[in-house]
Amino acid sequence: EVQLVESGGGLVQPGGSLRLSCAASEFTFSRHWMSWVRQAPGKGLEWVANIKPDGSEKYYADSVRGRFTISRDNAEKSLHLQMNSLRAEDTAVYYCARVTVAGTAWDYWGQGTLVTVSS
Amino acid sequence: DIQMTQSPSSLSASVGDRVTITCRASQSISSCLNWYQQKPGKAPKLLIYGASNLQSGVPSRFSGSGSGTDFTLTISSLQPEDFATYHCQQCYSVPGTFGQGTKLEIK
Repeated sequence: EVQLVESGGGLVQPGGSLRLSCAASEFTFSRHWMSWVRQAPGKGLEWVANIKPDGSEKYYADSVRGRFTISRDNAEKSLHLQMNSLRAEDTAVYYCARVTVAGTAWDYWGQGTLVTVSS
Repeated sequence: DIQMTQSPSSLSASVGDRVTITCRASQSISSCLNWYQQKPGKAPKLLIYGASNLQSGVPSRFSGSGSGTDFTLTISSLQPEDFATYHCQQCYSVPGTFGQGTKLEIK
């Protein structure tokens, strides 16, 4: 069974940094686009970033571009999100999600990791 | 960005009911529309992709239809485990925007 396990969330002050990780298993990680999707408390889902299978292309939501960096290590089957200059509005559960081979949906999700930005 | 609007925002229904949730896109998205189910404290789960294709393992009581700007998710006979929040998401253009969600509650 495909597994995605996030880690690295926590409480951070505004302006601070945090690095999220996602460990993937039971599928060929290097063949899939991967994404981060977040959900603020009591709110809807928001796509954050995508990365191509070989890491050569990365895309970001306007709300995080220039502050967040997505990366991956195919040898380690891991996905990362470096978050800098964090703001209160970045408070959310962050999900790692696998993009389908067709590239049009997220078919597997991790359990999520909570990031709280507060002083 | 393409805006996705779901209706209703919440819905009360009983076990055995037939339920329909609607999702409207601010511009045509062809059939690039997905539906996810999310239970409290859990990650979303893909139910329907490409507007009408049932994801593997999803019960056949779930179905999707529509194209262009108007889409529906139908649950033919509600089961206790179906009470959850449902999200539509367009995959036509980046960013893949979501609707605001429809919370399905027990009447």
